[in-house]
Parts: sequence; C-alpha cells; structure tokens
Amino acid sequence: QKEVEQNSGPLSVPEGAIASLNCTYSDRGSQSFFWYRQYSGKSPELIMFIYSNGDKEDGRFTAQLNKASQYVSLLIRDSQPSDSATYLCAVNTSFGNEKLTFGTGTRLTIIP
Amino acid sequence: EADIYQTPRYLVIGTGKKITLECSQTMGHDKMYWYQQDPGMELHLIHYSYGVNSTEKGDLSSESTVSRIRTEHFPLTLESARPSHTSQYLCASSEYRASGLLETQYFGPGTRLLVL
Repeated sequence: QKEVEQNSGPLSVPEGAIASLNCTYSDRGSQSFFWYRQYSGKSPELIMFIYSNGDKEDGRFTAQLNKASQYVSLLIRDSQPSDSATYLCAVNTSFGNEKLTFGTGTRLTIIP
Repeated sequence: EADIYQTPRYLVIGTGKKITLECSQTMGHDKMYWYQQDPGMELHLIHYSYGVNSTEKGDLSSESTVSRIRTEHFPLTLESARPSHTSQYLCASSEYRASGLLETQYFGPGTRLLVL
C-alpha cells in the first residue's frame, strides 16, 4: 500500500461545476497536508495546506481533512478551464519529519 | 510568492559529461530539497538538507551528489551523465515553524535534462 494514494484520473468536469479530488494516506501520525497544482511541464505550486480536521476555504478552493478516516480532499467550485492540471496531494507523514510524501497526482480536465 | 531559482532551465548534454544543476533561494530557508520527476510521473525525493553542511539521501536512489556550503545555495552534481539521468529536476525549500508543523515547500521552475 502506498503511503499517499490518489486516483490518477483523468477526471473530467464541466466548466462551472464542482471538481472533487480525493487523497488517502496510511500513516495515522500524519500532521500536515498540502495540495499542489502542476501544469504540464511546470513545477508544482501550492494551492492550500491544512493541519486540523474540518474544512478550510480559500476562494474557490476548499480543503477537507478527516484524520479518523485518513482522508483529505480538495474541492474546486465554479471550475474554470484554467484549473485543468494535475493536482498533487502531499503529506508530512510524521511529526518532526521534514519530508513530504507526494501522491501520484490526479489529472483534472475542465470541459468548456 | 517564493523566490527560488534554478539554472539552467534546459540542458542537453552528451554521455559522460559532468554537470551541475544550480538551485538558489533568497528566503533564508534552512531546508532544501531535490526531486526528480519523469513526464506524467510522480515526484521522487533524491536529496535534502536541513541546513549548512547537512545533506541526506532521499527516498529514491540517485547517482547524483549535493552540497550545502551556503544557506541559499544547494547545487546538484552528476559526475558522469548517462541517458538514464534524463528527467526533470526540481528544487524546493521550506522554513521551520515554531509550531513544529512542516512548513510549505516552495518549488523552483525546474531543470529539464536530456542526456544523449
């Protein structure tokens, strides 16, 4: 079992709809959770991070964390064609561990 | 906005050549990282550093080496490049927060390496 798992996609969502991206992790001691967006041929850029159970909203993006279920998700409201990219989930798998473990990413396509 | 720079952005080189990929950050971050990523594939950590004179190997074995003589600079060297080294190399840095929680990693633009 991989430490951080994501569906590779592709996930196709109509423009204006809500895109839902999911990520599960195996280490119950994980403390920090990050979502990165990566356009083809570019480097990852941070969208959001979340440390506490519940929802965290930033503009059109909402991160949701459920530590009991070891599940973190990213919702994108009012999806735009510019949101088409690969979304990487990253987890700091133990306190004091200064490394992130990345999932393989979910490729999202927004259909105009 | 993160200030982390990588040079060169693209490099085409012949087998057997020695190459150094440069990475610099102006944010004073203690922690720096090198990742390798093939097209459409996941990121693999190959080296990291907690500060000056600190270097560690990452999760993916790599024939490259790194050094950290200055806080802002974390170069990666391949003594003898091979076609199997063809990939994208991404540098990242992060700072430590008093809370103990891992700070966000900010990525440089990457270096695309092609070894012929």
